[in-house]
Amino acid sequence: DAGVTQSPTHLIKTRGQQVTLRCSPKSGHDTVSWYQQALGQGPQFIFQYYEEEERQRGNFPDRFSGHQFPNYSSELNVNALLLGDSALYLCASSLPTVKNIQYFGAGTRLSVL
Amino acid sequence: DAKTTQPPSMDCAEGRAANLPCNHSTISGNEYVYWYRQIHSQGPQYIIHGLKNNETNEMASLIITEDRKSSTLILPHATLRDTAVYYCIVRAPNDYKLSFGAGTTVTVRA
Repeated sequence: DAGVTQSPTHLIKTRGQQVTLRCSPKSGHDTVSWYQQALGQGPQFIFQYYEEEERQRGNFPDRFSGHQFPNYSSELNVNALLLGDSALYLCASSLPTVKNIQYFGAGTRLSVL
Repeated sequence: DAKTTQPPSMDCAEGRAANLPCNHSTISGNEYVYWYRQIHSQGPQYIIHGLKNNETNEMASLIITEDRKSSTLILPHATLRDTAVYYCIVRAPNDYKLSFGAGTTVTVRA
């Protein structure tokens, strides 16, 4: 049973560019959340997708957008990259239950130069 | 906007129990306590969660005080592979996000 998979594992971009990160949820899960983790800090919630809609959003600018596909996989898009966007981007999947146990992928390491 | 307080770091001897404290004095009646850990260069890993009662699974035990203002995660027999940052998180049922604080860096020593 595959867990949460993310691609690519590493990415280098320059300021002003756009980036797309991809996530496949754990088998049977239909809810996907994205987090940003700066070096030395805990993960920060970006947004959650359920039924192809953004259900909740954290305190991130509109440059951060996402999409969920009918097969429950998801993309995170970041436009107009800033140096401060350099971070580990984590995807988590879950079932839409009260328990909301989220299972995380290994992340995509984004470096903005 | 983390609602929990944890010590920044702690050491533990291999084979001994590790007791990780967490304060959540402003917890509401319907909020759950979750524990995750993050081993270096990996994504966070779910450990356990609870509402009021103590909980145990194959990884750990969670002890929640009667007033629910604090809890303790117990790793019964720590191994070197348990070295990680441990996060205590409080979450309401209608809040879909996990709010991570700085966590406790646990180092298990041989």
